[in-house]
Amino acid sequence: GAVVSQHPSWVICKSGTSVKIECRSLDFQATTMFWYRQFPKQSLMLMATSNEGSKATYEQGVEKDKFLINHASLTLSTLTVTSAHPEDSSFYICSARPVIAGARLLNEQFFGPGTRLTVL
Amino acid sequence: KNEVEQSPQNLTAQEGEFITINCSYSVGISALHWLQQHPGGGIVSLFMLSSGKKKHGRLIATINIQEKHSSLHITASHPRDSAVYICAVRSVERNRDDKIIFGKGTRLHILP
Repeated sequence: GAVVSQHPSWVICKSGTSVKIECRSLDFQATTMFWYRQFPKQSLMLMATSNEGSKATYEQGVEKDKFLINHASLTLSTLTVTSAHPEDSSFYICSARPVIAGARLLNEQFFGPGTRLTVL
Repeated sequence: KNEVEQSPQNLTAQEGEFITINCSYSVGISALHWLQQHPGGGIVSLFMLSSGKKKHGRLIATINIQEKHSSLHITASHPRDSAVYICAVRSVERNRDDKIIFGKGTRLHILP
């Protein structure tokens, strides 16, 4: 099946630094990638939707200047947490939707394994 | 009321038992996902369903679109099945296209 990878799988950083998380679709092209975060014992929550070659759409309450999303190619999206603070410590997960190559793929979304961010 | 409800929230069972986790949703959907999240947080996609039933190894997922309900079954459960199981639906409601709505998860603990 289709595979989505994330790098790094975990990261620890100091408060005030920026952290970049990569999401890659390994064997398919993705026009749309989604970024989620999950705080302890809570559901995953959508942060933003990124479409290749255009600006990301952020959900209400998510600061676009703090969470920079770049979707420069059909296989790579990056999330940069700028000036990270301890309250940004969370589990970040991406998912990718394949380029439409037929109706069968329209509903597919493939999830990455997630990245655990700890800000000291 | 949450748009995706899972039950039970927590489940402890003995090794070998047949496990059922339920998911009910209240929105129109185009697909439903079952995800497995291990203690370290890593997510594994188990199934994506839009109708009927799927089986993979000891895992079976079913969906009833008319009743807006899905079940995840684990046969011959094993301690390594201990994880949080998350139901997620892709909504087709107006202005929510592409949005995935997650349930809160069911924490499963299988005792040896």
